[in-house]
Formats: sequence, C-alpha cells, structure tokens
Amino acid sequence: GNSVTQMEGPVTLSEEAFLTINCTYTATGYPSLFWYVQYPGEGLQLLLKATKADDKGSNKGFEATYRKETTSFHLEKGSVQVSDSAVYFCALPDTGRRALTFGSGTRLQVQP
Amino acid sequence: DVKVTQSSRYLVKRTGEKVFLECVQDMDHENMFWYRQDPGLGLRLIYFSYDVKMKEKGDIPEGYSVSREKKERFSLILESASTNQTSMYLCASRHRVDTGELFFGEGSRLTVL
Repeated sequence: GNSVTQMEGPVTLSEEAFLTINCTYTATGYPSLFWYVQYPGEGLQLLLKATKADDKGSNKGFEATYRKETTSFHLEKGSVQVSDSAVYFCALPDTGRRALTFGSGTRLQVQP
Repeated sequence: DVKVTQSSRYLVKRTGEKVFLECVQDMDHENMFWYRQDPGLGLRLIYFSYDVKMKEKGDIPEGYSVSREKKERFSLILESASTNQTSMYLCASRHRVDTGELFFGEGSRLTVL
C-alpha cells in the first residue's frame, strides 16, 4: 500500500539556518502529497500540499516540490525561526483513498 | 474556520474502565477519523466514518469501537482500557469531495494506569 518514509529527528538548527526534511513515498499512481505541522500542545495542521507531479507547495516560507522521478517531497525553508520548532509530518492518501497515511514525524528544534 | 473539538485534553483512567472520547466538528463534513499518535510511529488510523452510522476499520481497530449517530459527532470507545492504550488520540474531519486535507482537533492524551 501507499506509504511515506521521512528522516528521523530530532533536527536541531540555529536560527536563520537552512532546513531540509526528507520525505520519500511509495504510491500507486500520483496522489496528492501533504506536509502537516504539529506545534507543542496542539493538533496537526496543514502546512502545504501538492496535487500533481512537479507542483510546488508553499506556505509560511516553507516549500516542497512533488518529484515523481525520485518519489520525493522534501520540505525546505531558507531561514528557520525559533517559532518553527515543531513536529513535521509527511502524508499521502492511503491505498483506498480513505484517509491519509502519515510518516513517523520529524521533530525540529530551532535554537536562538 | 473549521473547528474540530475534542471534549477532553487529558484523561487518566484505570485498567478495565470503559472510556469515551468525544469529537465534534462544525463544518458539516461527511468524513471523520480517529488516529492514535505514538512517538516514533507517527499517526495510525483506528477507525473512520464516511457518513452517519457508517464506519470502517482502520489499521489498528483492535480494542476500540466507534459511534456516529449524528453527522457532527464521532466518538471513540475503549470497552476495557489497557495500559497499552496509553497514547495521544487525534480526531479529524474532511469534506467528502475535498482533495484530501484533514482538519484535526487538539488531541486527547489518555493515560491508563
């Protein structure tokens, strides 16, 4: 079935550093891809999405490009802030399109 | 804005107790979901409902049941809580024809002693 693999954390960066969180997927066809973020003490919220190959999703300075050649959807940000400290989840629809399948999450810690 | 509200943020229960986790959404979404979140495992789907009184098992339904008597409310039931059900439980909803985005509640952290 459809699945995602994302890099293990925690990722610890200094403020203004460049961020990459890797996500690769296995899927039938070309489903939409998502990045969700979970801030401390909160539920998940959608950060960005891409609905077809070569699409770039972007939001709050974060970007991810849907690359079918490498089956990847890596999350990037050019300059992280302390407020970006959170857990980030890559996701895609499960095989039956019933729900979303999530990666294991990557915790980002940004130090001042 | 879509609002998904989980009735209890923190619960402490004893082994063998019956536990109800309630979730209400205010956007007339057809689909509702219960996930369980554990460190290193991400989110795992317990049950989902695609309409009132309609439900389907997810990936880890053992030890759980659900109820959806009204469109806006989706309840997760632990018939006899066990310590391995200590976890964070997340409810989500989605409009049937949407591109797939789920809207999440803030979560219910359950501890079973």
